[in-house]
Amino acid sequence: AQSVTQPDIHITVSEGASLELRCNYSYGATPYLFWYVQSPGQGLQLLLKYFSGDTLVQGIKGFEAEFKRSQSSFNLRKPSVHWSDAAEYFCAVEAGTASKLTFGTGTRLQVTL
Amino acid sequence: EAQVTQNPRYLITVTGKKLTVTCSQNMNHEYMSWYRQDPGLGLRQIYYSMNVEVTDKGDVPEGYKVSRKEKRNFPLILESPSPNQTSLYFCASSSPTTEGGYGYTFGSGTRLTVV
Repeated sequence: AQSVTQPDIHITVSEGASLELRCNYSYGATPYLFWYVQSPGQGLQLLLKYFSGDTLVQGIKGFEAEFKRSQSSFNLRKPSVHWSDAAEYFCAVEAGTASKLTFGTGTRLQVTL
Repeated sequence: EAQVTQNPRYLITVTGKKLTVTCSQNMNHEYMSWYRQDPGLGLRQIYYSMNVEVTDKGDVPEGYKVSRKEKRNFPLILESPSPNQTSLYFCASSSPTTEGGYGYTFGSGTRLTVV
């Protein structure tokens, strides 16, 4: 069965600093990978997804993620964080044969001014 | 507008009192799912449905029931809620994409408190 690990429960960065959120997955075949963001009291918003092709994926709000098969990773990056980026971020993997997302436990991002 | 609509958004109930959380989608998606979100655990799938009258258990189905009598609706039923079902619930619908895999649309969530 597939699984997702987000090693960092909580990260604090200064506004304007760069950000990298880690995500490692476990799945035998090529996975479909997603990053979602959840602002306080809000639902889930899709930031970006990887299905195939170019391993560097661009998303909304200036985020990007890189799929590295050799490391089983799909880390999320942003070159310059804004205070409004404070939220919880979830990485998810889909097995592909069934419509099911397996989520990581999330990383809460705090942005200091 | 393509959307998944859940109701209610907030619900406080007492232990043992049956409740239903409704979910409706207007995209003609075949797949629908329910997830629960708990602090430190992320989102976990409760049940899913591949089509009308076809449902199956997800990772945490105990204490829940679902039905899929119409393609657009997928209600979540708690026949005897307990405090450990206090959680944030999300309904999702999905369909295959041309790139492979599925595209997902999530509802806004239902925050349930069982006292």
